Amino acid sequence: GAVVSQHPSWVICKSGTSVKIECRSLDFQATTMFWYRQFPKQSLMLMATSNEGSKATYEQGVEKDKFLINHASLTLSTLTVTSAHPEDSSFYICSAPRGAMGNEQFFGPGTRLTVL
Amino acid sequence: RKEVEQDPGPFNVPEGATVAFNCTYSNSASQSFFWYRQDCRKEPKLLMSVYSSGNEDGRFTAQLNRASQYISLLIRDSKLSDSATYLCVVNMRTSGTYKYIFGTGTRLKVLA
Repeated sequence: GAVVSQHPSWVICKSGTSVKIECRSLDFQATTMFWYRQFPKQSLMLMATSNEGSKATYEQGVEKDKFLINHASLTLSTLTVTSAHPEDSSFYICSAPRGAMGNEQFFGPGTRLTVL
Repeated sequence: RKEVEQDPGPFNVPEGATVAFNCTYSNSASQSFFWYRQDCRKEPKLLMSVYSSGNEDGRFTAQLNRASQYISLLIRDSKLSDSATYLCVVNMRTSGTYKYIFGTGTRLKVLA
């Protein structure tokens, strides 16, 4: 069964609104979670590393004020896309590693965001 | 240069064919390596880890060459259900944390 869940699985919103996506590890604790974005016909691009109890680490080119990450507990990380615009429409996927070296990565089912 | 490079394809092969995908990575500090499979509009699913000694799982064989920083995946006796995008993934340690870096993916279409 799924070990990482994401909610919602899809969302359609108007330009300028904010959208929150939740990522939960279901049967293990994750001090670190990863957020990816995937545009059509492209690969997954790491956006940021979510750290429980400390600030997220953002990849180069990702605006931290636009993509707010909060690792609220050992099983929950949220990504908020603030003031979403059509160019933010994408497939957002989270993952959580299990194991000391992070070798076992479990991916959530993804959230498809469409901004009108 | 991208950290993980793959030929995007598409590879169109007939059922029963053998097909091979290659992947190169640029960071010699990379720790571990994987092949993931991604179906359209779905999340990636782990296909297999890649070990230095090479490893096989049924019709799938993965190879790693650390000296050349090269990873391969061989699929024998292709099935229609093998049609998907195959992602080469490198796990590397950077700034005290591990993170996955994905290749662009190679699209495979197995034809009846």
